[in-house]
Amino acid sequence: AQSVTQLGSHVSVSEGALVLLRCNYSSSVPPYLFWYVQYPNQGLQLLLKYTSAATLVKGINGFEAEFKKSETSFHLTKPSAHMSDAAEYFCAVTFNQGGKLIFGQGTELSVKP
Amino acid sequence: NAGVTQTPKFQVLKTGQSMTLQCAQDMNHNSMYWYRQDPGMGLRLIYYSASEGTTDKGEVPNGYNVSRLNKREFSLRLESAAPSQTSVYFCASSGEALYRENTEAFFGQGTRLTVV
Repeated sequence: AQSVTQLGSHVSVSEGALVLLRCNYSSSVPPYLFWYVQYPNQGLQLLLKYTSAATLVKGINGFEAEFKKSETSFHLTKPSAHMSDAAEYFCAVTFNQGGKLIFGQGTELSVKP
Repeated sequence: NAGVTQTPKFQVLKTGQSMTLQCAQDMNHNSMYWYRQDPGMGLRLIYYSASEGTTDKGEVPNGYNVSRLNKREFSLRLESAAPSQTSVYFCASSGEALYRENTEAFFGQGTRLTVV
């Protein structure tokens, strides 16, 4: 079955430290991958997406993610965390035209001063 | 530019009551979705509509029904609410091809439903 898994339900970093949020997918067909962010009591906002145009994808707020087919991964990184990055992050996948958008379990990011 | 609008924002129901969650989008999108969000479980797809007049079950459809009333509107109905349906519900919409560079799914602000 096609799915996406986020490793770590909660990640805590210090302000200025590297942020690394992990996402792995399982698929027998080419995946299209997304990262969304959810701030408290709000809906979801797209950070970035992979559509096969480039394996390294840059998104908003300084985030980027690299698609690695050999590792079936699409990890999200940011070189230096800000307090404002504290939120829940979701990895999501779709597989074909008009396909369903399936989400991972989410990772809550905390940023310590 | 309203995007995706959900009503109501909050609702408390008694076990066995029914209600309909409304969702409308003004982006001329073909695809619409209903998700529920529970702690530690991420967003789980309840129902999906690829176009007007079509609906498809997602991961957790039991206890729910949907109607794609027209291209703009996609409603979610709970016929007999149960405490297990206490959750935050999100509606979303997207263009025809999510895999394309310039498409994405847009989300409403959510409906917080409590069933007592």
